Amino acid sequence: DTEVTQTPKHLVMGMTNKKSLKCEQHMGHRAMYWYKQKAKKPPELMFVYSYEKLSINESVPSRFSPECPNSSLLNLHLHALQPEDSALYLCASSQDGGDRGRQPQHFGDGTRLSIL
Amino acid sequence: SQQGEEDPQALSIQEGENATMNCSYKTSINNLQWYRQNSGRGLVHLILIRSNEREKHSGRLRVTLDTSKKSSSLLITASRAADTASYFCATDHSGYALNFGKGTSLLVTP
Repeated sequence: DTEVTQTPKHLVMGMTNKKSLKCEQHMGHRAMYWYKQKAKKPPELMFVYSYEKLSINESVPSRFSPECPNSSLLNLHLHALQPEDSALYLCASSQDGGDRGRQPQHFGDGTRLSIL
Repeated sequence: SQQGEEDPQALSIQEGENATMNCSYKTSINNLQWYRQNSGRGLVHLILIRSNEREKHSGRLRVTLDTSKKSSSLLITASRAADTASYFCATDHSGYALNFGKGTSLLVTP
């Protein structure tokens, strides 16, 4: 079992739908991440939250909207997605002492998203 | 791009053999990490090696780092079918986020 829980595991949505991906961790980590991963490719960083504040936005289109309601939860709101947005979306967390790159990241098993 | 490059892209071995995969990167790093990803699952952290370390062991894993050549290697000894997975190196250049390499797909056959 992973210590980072992502729901749902699978999501199929139309291009006009609005949906949300959820991520939860109870390890006391203060940095949380969203990654997008296409088949046979490495994870691509989308967003980083540090102490519940958005720290990094890797030029992600506005149809992806992250939210960090508290230190344990991370959401990714989806709206008007395109077929090319179909991918595995991974959430991760790490301890944060202002030195995120030196810490292991703990990943959830992801949400497999399909856009029709 | 600061992204690492793993070599080989794919590796097929038999159980009991050793598996070696390499990672090269372009700019100086603070540390380098290795992750494993089983099919359909998230990534699992394996080992972290700091820029001032040359070698690190964890169970059947041995990681080396050569900062002069900007390269690292991951050795899995006495491989098992359960080691079948994709392996990624990830480099930290700025302390803010990791850059993942393209990965090596390892297949261990019984």
